[in-house]
Amino acid sequence: ETGVTQTPRHLVMGMTNKKSLKCEQHLGHNAMYWYKQSAKKPLELMFVYNFKEQTENNSVPSRFSPECPNSSHLFLHLHTLQPEDSALYLCASSPLLRRQDRAGGNTEAFFGQGTRLTVV
Amino acid sequence: QKEVEQNSGPLSVPEGAIASLNCTYSDRGSQSFFWYRQYSGKSPELIMFIYSNGDKEDGRFTAQLNKASQYVSLLIRDSQPSDSATYLCAAPTSYGKLTFGQGTILTVHP
Repeated sequence: ETGVTQTPRHLVMGMTNKKSLKCEQHLGHNAMYWYKQSAKKPLELMFVYNFKEQTENNSVPSRFSPECPNSSHLFLHLHTLQPEDSALYLCASSPLLRRQDRAGGNTEAFFGQGTRLTVV
Repeated sequence: QKEVEQNSGPLSVPEGAIASLNCTYSDRGSQSFFWYRQYSGKSPELIMFIYSNGDKEDGRFTAQLNKASQYVSLLIRDSQPSDSATYLCAAPTSYGKLTFGQGTILTVHP
């Protein structure tokens, strides 16, 4: 069982719907991420939270809205999505990732199983 | 220039051969590097990490790091069909985020 749990595993939604993806980590990490992976494309970083503060918004459209109420939970709120938003959405967490910690340490990320999103 | 860059491949090797996967990075401040394996339809899983210049071996996997050249590689010895996957290189970059390369698709054929 992974230390990072995502729900739901699969989601089909219409373009006018509002839904939320949930991620929970039980690893005591302080950094959490949302990645998008489209078919045959590399992982695209969407958002980064360090110590519950958003430190990265990688030019993501406003129809994606992240929320990090505490260091163990991360949400991705979805509204008025487009069919091209269909993808695998992956949550990840890692230990302490302060700006000055870009050097070594245990900074590896652990991934959840992902939510397969289909927008119809 | 991409922060972490890999040859997207695909790379095809026969069973039993050595597969060599390469990655370059632009941030000289990055000092730890990670190799992830991702099977189709699954999430990435960590297989190796390396912090120091030189080689690090773990079973059939060897990671190599050359900080002067900003180059990190992964060698898979005695490749098996079960090694067929996408391999992702990752490094913490200047804004405290873990950045991934685009991945290299490896196919090991019997």
